[in-house]
This record gives sequence, C-alpha cells and structure tokens, in this order.
Amino acid sequence: EAEVAQSPRYKITEKSQAVAFWCDPISGHATLYWYRQILGQGPELLVQFQDESVVDDSQLPKDRFSAERLKGVDSTLKIQPAELGDSAMYLCASTLTSGSSYEQYFGPGTRLTVT
Amino acid sequence: QQQVKQSPQSLIVQKGGISIINCAYENTAFDYFPWYQQFPGKGPALLIAIRPDVSEKKEGRFTISFNKSAKQFSLHIMDSQPGDSATYFCAASDSSYKLIFGSGTRLLVRP
Repeated sequence: EAEVAQSPRYKITEKSQAVAFWCDPISGHATLYWYRQILGQGPELLVQFQDESVVDDSQLPKDRFSAERLKGVDSTLKIQPAELGDSAMYLCASTLTSGSSYEQYFGPGTRLTVT
Repeated sequence: QQQVKQSPQSLIVQKGGISIINCAYENTAFDYFPWYQQFPGKGPALLIAIRPDVSEKKEGRFTISFNKSAKQFSLHIMDSQPGDSATYFCAASDSSYKLIFGSGTRLLVRP
C-alpha cells in the first residue's frame, strides 16, 4: 500500500539553529500539505501545494519558515532559526485532487523538539 | 466561522460499549466531513468520511451521523474494543480541499 514518507522521524535541535524536514507524497498525488500539530491539539495547516505551486501559505510564519516543492513531487519544510515554541509534530499529507477526491493521507510525521 | 468544535475532550468506555464523539461547524460551505484516528507517535489515519447529501454512513463498526440543519456530525463506534483506544479528530473541508480539524477526543476503551 502506497504511503506518504517523511524524514527524519525525530529531530532535536537547539534554539536558533536551522532544521529541515522532508516529505515524499504518494505517487501521483498532485496536492501536498504541511501541517503542524502541537501536543494535545488537532493538526493546523501551514502550507498547501498544487504540483510545484503554493496554493495557500497564509498560516506559514514566513519570517522563519519556508517550504518548497521544486519538481512537484517531494517537498522540504525549513525552519530558521528554530524557537522553543516550534516544538511540535510536523505532518505531511497528500491527496489526488482529481474530480471530487478530498481524501488526505498523512505520513508518520517528524517530531521536533527545540531545546 | 472556520472552526470545528469537538466534544468530549476525553471519553472512557467499557469494552463492547458504544463510543460517541460529536462535532459542530458554522461554515455552510463545508462539504466534506472526515474522521481521523491517531495513535501516539503516528500520523492521523482516515477512518470514515461523509458528504452532506447523506445523513448516515456506516463502515463496519464505525458510523457517521450527519445533521445538515443543525450543522453537526458525530462518530459512533459500536462494540468498542481496547484496540480502538486512540485520539479521534473530526475535520471539515470546502472546495479548497483544506482540512479544518477539531481539537480531538482521547478515547480509552477498558477491557
């Protein structure tokens, strides 16, 4: 069964350092999402890509966060500099986005701890 | 208006019982309502979803009930099992395909 891949699974970094997360969506899925999930809360959308284009990054803290999906396949989310409040699970999801398909499939996530 | 309100925050059910989780929304443009199941340290997994043109959808032990006029929907887990112990999230989406999640319900099914 096809899955969304994410790496690393866990990351510990010091405040003010740079950190990057990688996501490989399910093959053929045109739409890719990055979510942030704070412990005990639901996921919140950070950025949405349609192929290589950003559709929505209104909730992305652009002073420190950046996201790219250069070839419309895999994607990288970067934080520089990391702050203590960035400690969370970062989830990637993808969807086919054809016709009326809304089903989003999530990867296992990257657990970030900022010390 | 974009919020999805979920209750209860936590739920304890005996094995074999019925677990019921409720969600409410305001945005009438929402037209897709999924439920996700999440185990500790894992990403959310799609459990079941419904569109507003039907009032109920059942898949195995899981049923979504949908009340369009009240703008509410709920997840019912019949014959709850200890393996169902997880956090459940309701969500909603409009034609933008962006999911708005509820705050989650932590379910514990006692043996």
